[in-house]
Amino acid sequence: GENVEQHPSTLSVQEGDSAVIKCTYSDSASNYFPWYKQELGKRPQLIIDIRSNVGEKKDQRIAVTLNKTAKHFSLHITETQPEDSAVYFCAAATGTASKLTFGTGTRLQVTL
Amino acid sequence: GAVVSQHPSRVICKSGTSVKIECRSLDFQATTMFWYRQFPKQSLMLMATSNEGSKATYEQGVEKDKFLINHASLTLSTLTVTSAHPEDSSFYICSARVAGRKPQHFGDGTRLSIL
Repeated sequence: GENVEQHPSTLSVQEGDSAVIKCTYSDSASNYFPWYKQELGKRPQLIIDIRSNVGEKKDQRIAVTLNKTAKHFSLHITETQPEDSAVYFCAAATGTASKLTFGTGTRLQVTL
Repeated sequence: GAVVSQHPSRVICKSGTSVKIECRSLDFQATTMFWYRQFPKQSLMLMATSNEGSKATYEQGVEKDKFLINHASLTLSTLTVTSAHPEDSSFYICSARVAGRKPQHFGDGTRLSIL
C-alpha cells in the first residue's frame, strides 16, 4: 500500500518568514495530493491540493509543488502569520475510491 | 458548500458500552464516506471506506465486527463502536466526498473516552 513520509515533524519560523514542508510517497499510481491544516481538537481543513498532471499550484500565500518522477511534493507558505500556526498534514490518494494516506504531520509554530 | 456534520462531538462512557457516531453531508450527496481514527499527536489513520448501499471496505487490522459501519443513504453514514474498551478511546473523524470529485471534507470529529 501507499506510504507517505513527511518532514519536518516540527517547524518554527518567525512571522513574515517562509515555511516549507516536504512529503514523499511510494505508490507511483497516486494521483491526487491534498494538504490539510488541523488546529488542536478540530477538523482537518483542506488548504490546497494538486493533481498528478500539474507540477505547481498557488493560492495567495500558499503553494504546492509536485515532482512525480521523484515522488515528492512540498507545501510552501510565504509571509507566515501567527494564525498559520497549526499541524499540517500531506496526503496521497490512490484508486477509484481516492483513499487518502496521510503523512505524519508537521507542527508549525509562527512566532512574533 | 461541502459541509459535513458529525455527532456527537464528545462521548464519555463506561467500558462495554456501544457507541454510535453519525456523519452527515449537509449540502451534497456523498456516495463515499470515510472513517478515520486519530490518537493524540498522531496522524489520521483510515479505518474504512463506506459506500452507500453496500458493505464497507475495512483497512487491514481494523475489526469489522467491532467497528460497524452503515451507509444507508447518500447523506448519512454511521460508525458504531461495539463493546468499547479504554483502548478504543480516540478521536474519530469522518469525511465525505462529492461523487466524481477528489477532495474529502471532514466532520468536526468525535472524541471518545472509555472509562
